[in-house]
Amino acid sequence: TQLLEQSPQFLSIQEGENLTVYCNSSSVFSSLQWYRQEPGEGPVLLVTVVTGGEVKKLKRLTFQFGDARKDSSLHITAAQTGDTGLYLCAGGTGGFKTIFGAGTRLFVKA
Amino acid sequence: NAGVTQTPKFQVLKTGQSMTLQCAQDMNHEYMSWYRQDPGMGLRLIHYSVGAGITDQGEVPNGYNVSRSTTEDFPLRLLSAAPSQTSVYFCASSYSGQGANTEAFFGQGTRLTVV
Repeated sequence: TQLLEQSPQFLSIQEGENLTVYCNSSSVFSSLQWYRQEPGEGPVLLVTVVTGGEVKKLKRLTFQFGDARKDSSLHITAAQTGDTGLYLCAGGTGGFKTIFGAGTRLFVKA
Repeated sequence: NAGVTQTPKFQVLKTGQSMTLQCAQDMNHEYMSWYRQDPGMGLRLIHYSVGAGITDQGEVPNGYNVSRSTTEDFPLRLLSAAPSQTSVYFCASSYSGQGANTEAFFGQGTRLTVV
């Protein structure tokens, strides 16, 4: 069974701080996605990475896919209260199933 | 642009009752899926469909049935509700189930409580 482990589970920081959250697996994924979910809503896609070593930037968010395509990280620079939410990583297995991690719940305090 | 629409938003069932969660998308996506989200466990795939008339099981299919008679609709049926099925259910659709086209668009979820 393919698993995606996310760490940390919870993170509470002050506005303006930097942070990194991680998504790790022992399996290789054909693609990996990061979603953000707010209370009472469905997840919304932030980025998809498909190539080992790939780095993508979305404003203050930097996403990296590991060289071996088994892990990924999300770095947020100068966090804002609007970044508060549940961050989920999801891996494409190459078949028709996408596996989700349990998520990192981020709370940014003003 | 409605995207993915789920109904109802909230539901309380008694143990043993059956019900259908509705899901419709207007993006002409071939791939649709149902997930359940439980605290600390992320989203787990229940069933998925790669096109009208084609469905398959995900990680946790027991107690649930699906059908896909049209591209737009993908209902999830609970056959005999159990307290273990208390969860938040999400329907998602994407252009394709494979490769870089797997960006999933999610509905707002159905919060189901089985008493």
